[in-house]
Amino acid sequence: GENVEQHPSTLSVQEGDSAVIKCTYSDSASNYFPWYKQELGKRPQLIIDIRSNVGEKKDQRIAVTLNKTAKHFSLHITETQPEDSAVYFCAASSSTGNQFYFGTGTSLTVIP
Amino acid sequence: NAGVTQTPKFQVLKTGQSMTLQCAQDMNHEYMSWYRQDPGMGLRLIHYSVGAGITDQGEVPNGYNVSRSTTEDFPLRLLSAAPSQTSVYFCASSPGGSYTEAFFGQGTRLTVV
Repeated sequence: GENVEQHPSTLSVQEGDSAVIKCTYSDSASNYFPWYKQELGKRPQLIIDIRSNVGEKKDQRIAVTLNKTAKHFSLHITETQPEDSAVYFCAASSSTGNQFYFGTGTSLTVIP
Repeated sequence: NAGVTQTPKFQVLKTGQSMTLQCAQDMNHEYMSWYRQDPGMGLRLIHYSVGAGITDQGEVPNGYNVSRSTTEDFPLRLLSAAPSQTSVYFCASSPGGSYTEAFFGQGTRLTVV
């Protein structure tokens, strides 16, 4: 089955700096890569996603890049704010879309 | 539109007890799944269903049973709880097919003593 690895496990940045979280996957058949944000005590919620036929996608301060050849994808958050502090999960979806495989999560702390 | 609803939010069980975690969605999604979240291990898939009457095992299915008699409901059963099942459990649903988002319930924090 699919194996998703995520790094780093914890990340601290100063407010206004950028944050980058990296993930790798093993199954070349995976074709959808969502990112979820989980605030303390809350449910994971989708913040951005990318399909396998796209190399980069941006949404305001958030961007995701995908390198299919190397099987890795990354989340970039620019101009970080304290409300960006949360746990972020990357995931890879099987080609049928019925299974999501998650990374182990990155706890991001933005220091005011 | 309630989305995905899980009950209960918190539960304490004694070793050997059984219980059912409830999950219901009102979005007419075909796909539903159960995950457990443990510190440092992310979200691990327990069981999933691609439609009413169809279920399959995920990464960590041992100790858990599921059934899917309707599109809306996907309960998770612990037949004989063990301390290793102490975790936060999330139910999720998605429309199915490629490129579709998973919507999560609010989670159930289960402690087995």
